[in-house]
Amino acid sequence: AQRVTQPEKLLSVFKGAPVELKCNYSYSGSPELFWYVQYSRQRLQLLLRHISRESIKGFTADLNKGETSFHLKKPFAQEEDSAMYYCALSGLGGSQGNLIFGKGTKLSVKP
Amino acid sequence: GAGVSQSPSNKVTEKGKDVELRCDPISGHTALYWYRQSLGQGLEFLIYFQGNSAPDKSGLPSDRFSAERTGGSVSTLTIQRTQQEDSAVYLCASSRQVGHGETQYFGPGTRLLVL
Repeated sequence: AQRVTQPEKLLSVFKGAPVELKCNYSYSGSPELFWYVQYSRQRLQLLLRHISRESIKGFTADLNKGETSFHLKKPFAQEEDSAMYYCALSGLGGSQGNLIFGKGTKLSVKP
Repeated sequence: GAGVSQSPSNKVTEKGKDVELRCDPISGHTALYWYRQSLGQGLEFLIYFQGNSAPDKSGLPSDRFSAERTGGSVSTLTIQRTQQEDSAVYLCASSRQVGHGETQYFGPGTRLLVL
């Protein structure tokens, strides 16, 4: 079964500290993985996708197929990074294209 | 351009009543998705449309839920005989096309409360 696991419900760090939001997945085949972010009172929006291999707002994520992980990292957290972060996997088969989400990690960056 | 819009933004209804939720996708996007965001359950896929057709309805939680899309644009999610467990935020998303890895753009959601 396809599944995304985000083990931390809440992650609290101080400004300037490194941050890593964990994501593990269960999938057969070549996965397409995404990180979505939801800031307070805003809609869910794409942060980055593994296929692009880009850095957005200082965040990066590397797909590790051996460990089936797609952890999101930032070397120096900022207060404006406080938000809800969702890892997602693109589904296959009869539900082509739908996203399978983890339950999310709430990141709180303290001053 | 305009993003995905949804209406109403909030809906309070009584148990047993029917509700209709509307989604207006980004112009030109052929794929449209409905998700439900419940407290403690995260984001749950409900149904998707490719054009006007919905090839997979297996994500709908019960036969009280139905959705349609006409003209390849606006979609309506209908919940009949609402129950308290239907209370959630219903999110709509659209993408250029259905496909493995297409970026989905989300609407602001409709917050449904069933009393």
